[in-house]
Amino acid sequence: GAVVSQHPSWVICKSGTSVKIECRSLDFQATTMFWYRQFPKQSLMLMATSNEGSKATYEQGVEKDKFLINHASLTLSTLTVTSAHPEDSSFYICSASSVFTGELFFGEGSRLTVL
Amino acid sequence: AQSVTQPDIHITVSEGASLELRCNYSYGATPYLFWYVQSPGQGLQLLLKYFSGDTLVQGIKGFEAEFKRSQSSFNLRKPSVHWSDAAEYFCAVGGPNTGNQFYFGTGTSLTVIP
Repeated sequence: GAVVSQHPSWVICKSGTSVKIECRSLDFQATTMFWYRQFPKQSLMLMATSNEGSKATYEQGVEKDKFLINHASLTLSTLTVTSAHPEDSSFYICSASSVFTGELFFGEGSRLTVL
Repeated sequence: AQSVTQPDIHITVSEGASLELRCNYSYGATPYLFWYVQSPGQGLQLLLKYFSGDTLVQGIKGFEAEFKRSQSSFNLRKPSVHWSDAAEYFCAVGGPNTGNQFYFGTGTSLTVIP
């Protein structure tokens, strides 16, 4: 089946630094990728929809200057958390939609801890 | 308002007992329906999906789900639960009838006792 790979799986950084998380679709082309944030024991919150070659569409309340999303190719989307602060600590999950099956495939998630 | 509802936040069952997790949706037209499972600290794994056709869908790990249009429900079932089934379960909707966006229910946490 289709695979989505996310890297890194976990990252610890100092407050004020920026962190980049990559999301790759390994065996299919994904014109659309989604970024979610998940707080402990809660559901996934859609942050933004990433479309290849165009600007991402952010959900209400998500700071686009804080969470930079780039979808430069059909197999790669990146999320950059800029000037990270402890409140940005969370589990970030990406997903990619297959245009052929309508199914959503998830990455393994990236756990960010900001000290 | 359009929504996906999982009424049960937490369920505890004994190993070997049957399981049913509830999911209701509220959309004008039937969306694509999915069930995902998430183990602690892990990503999400698709258990099964419904697009159209047979309303009883078989998935992996012995799970099945039944789509009931009249009740706007897509409940997940398993006849005999194993200890390894303890996890968080999410119902989700997607497809053209949701603007090709995916939305998740709040999740149901399953505890399995020996």
